Amino acid sequence: GIQVEQSPPDLILQEGANSTLRCNFSDSVNNLQWFHQNPWGQLINLFYIPSGTKQNGRLSATTVATERYSLLYISSSQTTDSGVYFCAVASIKAAGNKLTFGGGTRVLVKP
Amino acid sequence: KAGVTQTPRYLIKTRGQQVTLSCSPISGHRSVSWYQQTPGQGLQFLFEYFSETQRNKGNFPGRFSGRQFSNSRSEMNVSTLELGDSALYLCASGLSREDTDTQYFGPGTRLTVL
Repeated sequence: GIQVEQSPPDLILQEGANSTLRCNFSDSVNNLQWFHQNPWGQLINLFYIPSGTKQNGRLSATTVATERYSLLYISSSQTTDSGVYFCAVASIKAAGNKLTFGGGTRVLVKP
Repeated sequence: KAGVTQTPRYLIKTRGQQVTLSCSPISGHRSVSWYQQTPGQGLQFLFEYFSETQRNKGNFPGRFSGRQFSNSRSEMNVSTLELGDSALYLCASGLSREDTDTQYFGPGTRLTVL
């Protein structure tokens, strides 16, 4: 099946810093989402971005489908940005919404 | 519009018992998927239901089963519980106007098997 790798696994930031999270995937996809998992376990949807670029406030994401990677940018980080960020994809070879998740990037923003 | 809801939020069971978890999707959503999250295996897909039919299935034993009702609500059942079934179980829903679309997750059910 499709493989998803996220890097780095851990990231420690000072408040106000910028960062880039990366997601590599091994096959063509028709669904790619970025999630933020809060301390209580809920996955918060950040972006639905199988291709192209999107921005939402201090967050933005870019997916280059032809090169099989996606980037999540966090600008002017805040302590509330702490948590685990997941990338999830659905292979174009599989029908429906079967998402394969990467291992996540654990982000800690220090005040 | 209310989000995805899951009940119960926490559950403690003993080995050998069975458990049923419930998921109510966002109003109008027709697709419901289930995921298991453990520290060792991460987030893994269990199955997806669309219009009361199982559309996708992950690599889990037959002890894990599910169903979807005509109002799109879904249940998953785990029989003969094992210690390794302790996990956070997450449900997601989507409109599925196209083949695949944005998935919205519920708060999860944390299952502990003793």
